[in-house]
Order: sequence, then structure tokens, then C-alpha cells
Amino acid sequence: NAGVTQTPKFQVLKTGQSMTLQCAQDMNHNSMYWYRQDPGMGLRLIYYSASEGTTDKGEVPNGYNVSRLNKREFSLRLESAAPSQTSVYFCAIRTDTDTQYFGPGTRLTVL
Amino acid sequence: GENVEQHPSTLSVQEGDSAVIKCTYSDSASNYFPWYKQELGKGPQLIIDIRSNVGEKKDQRIAVTLNKTAKHFSLHITETQPEDSAVYFCAASKRGAQKLVFGQGTRLTINP
Repeated sequence: NAGVTQTPKFQVLKTGQSMTLQCAQDMNHNSMYWYRQDPGMGLRLIYYSASEGTTDKGEVPNGYNVSRLNKREFSLRLESAAPSQTSVYFCAIRTDTDTQYFGPGTRLTVL
Repeated sequence: GENVEQHPSTLSVQEGDSAVIKCTYSDSASNYFPWYKQELGKGPQLIIDIRSNVGEKKDQRIAVTLNKTAKHFSLHITETQPEDSAVYFCAASKRGAQKLVFGQGTRLTINP
């Protein structure tokens, strides 16, 4: 996964619980992304960060917050999880030549 | 904004035959076109990409062609093998753009 790590790999939450998904890179790239992928569906952008200290909304930001803690780490927080947020979450980085590389994913189930 | 359409949504071919997946894009300023392979339970993996200054790129059994005039690009897999079974996504972006726009995906099944 080109130096992109995600934790945890799996998580089960109850409705209303909160949690933070962690993403880290070891390649010193400026841009980092969070996507969600629902069963049998494509990738939808939640939030992205073009550089340390900046974040921007993507296609489906509602219900999520993000933090770009430093150049290496980009976290995604669900403050009050809902069943509609059951999905697989992927973190990605973007190189200077526009290529994006994805992490292995976090599989989240909200009951 | 950019819109990427991918066809077909499912494709089944016999082992050893060729597979072709096609994508069209709407923004003529797009100049970077990657293809990703996603195996079950894994993250998307970049398998090949092409930029608008070339018309074709090959890597062993995989090739991508780009027609800028018609605004479409295609993935060609020759001599297919069972391990080629996966979901394939195309995408497009402009130079320096922060976002990739993805197609809807094609589920490719290789029948032994």
C-alpha cells in the first residue's frame, strides 16, 4: 500500500458512539485524502488535506470531521456514528505527479 | 466539473482471452488517467496510468490507450488469468488538481 497505514482494520460501533480512524504515511507527501466505499459502490471523497494545517470538504463530508495533525498523519472522526456510516474507509496520499496511493482500509460497522 | 463514465459495469471472459474496459471523461483539460485494481477486501492498487502527451502505454499484459479528441481511454488486459479477477476503476484529473474523479468500477471475472 505504498507506505500508507490505517488503524484500526476493523471496528464495530453502536449508534451514537464516537471514534477516530487514523492514517499515517511514511513518504512526506503534502496531500492526504479520506474516501468511503459502500458495498458494490465506487469511491466517494469525504475530506482531503492539501498540506499540513489545511483541510477541505469533499463529496460527502456530513457527519465527519478531520484533523491534519502534522505532515505525516490525517485522522477522520465520527462524533456520533449512524448506521448510514457503515462502510469501508480508505486513506490515500497524492504524489507530486498527481498519483494517488491508497491504504488497506478500515471496515466499520455501525449497529 | 469533471465526470467519468465507465463501461461495462460487469465483464466476464474466458481465461486466456482479452478484456477491455472503457471510460469517457467530460473535461478536455484533464490530462492524467490512472487505472486501479481492487481485489476483495483490499484497497485500490494503481496498475497503470497515462498522461495526455502519449496515446498508449504498455506494461506486460496490460495496456492503456487514450483518445483525447473523443475524450475516452481504455484498459486492455491480454492473456487473462484467474488472478486478474477484481474490480477495476478508471479515474481522471487535471495537472495539479487535488481531486481524482473516479469511474463507477467494472467487476471483471475470469472464467477458467
